[in-house]
Amino acid sequence: SQKIEQNSEALNIQEGKTATLTCNYTNYSPAYLQWYRQDPGRGPVFLLLIRENEKEKRKERLKVTFDTTLKQSLFHITASQPADSATYLCAHESSASKIIFGSGTRLSIRP
Amino acid sequence: EAGVAQSPRYKIIEKRQSVAFWCNPISGHATLYWYQQILGQGPKLLIQFQNNGVVDDSQLPKDRFSAERLKGVDSTLKIQPAKLEDSAVYLCASSFGLGDEQYFGPGTRLTVT
Repeated sequence: SQKIEQNSEALNIQEGKTATLTCNYTNYSPAYLQWYRQDPGRGPVFLLLIRENEKEKRKERLKVTFDTTLKQSLFHITASQPADSATYLCAHESSASKIIFGSGTRLSIRP
Repeated sequence: EAGVAQSPRYKIIEKRQSVAFWCNPISGHATLYWYQQILGQGPKLLIQFQNNGVVDDSQLPKDRFSAERLKGVDSTLKIQPAKLEDSAVYLCASSFGLGDEQYFGPGTRLTVT
């Protein structure tokens, strides 16, 4: 079956450092990957989309990479701030056009 | 622009009762999604509509769950009868088209006792 895996362990980062989150997918090569942020008690908020023919995409302090050989996407937050603390989800569309989300990685930025 | 609206925000019911959730997507968005999110997990797609047609409902427990999208705009998700394991947050999302970024509503937290 097509799976998308994120590090289920929480990531704790010192403020100002770069946070790097990983998303691995198996048994399928998606045309794109999406990254979302989710705060407690709220719905996910879209951050970035990267397509298979794009190696890297940036938006302000955010950067996403897409390595189709490793079947992996990395999500980076540079100059991290406590306000960046949240759960980050990756998602892709399966071969059956079904959206599949990872379980998310909880990020904590300590002052 | 107005976001995705959902109601109610919270619902507590006993097992075997029925419950319905309502979603109003962003105006002009053709694609509407219902997700179930259990605590500590990512959203799980239950059903996806393109206008008022179903694109995917392979993970919808059709013996107890049903959904419809009225006139390709608002949508309702119903559970009848509810089970304890249905306790979760039910998220509605919409997008301009298939594969586009999704905009999520605040969700409905369902507790089945």
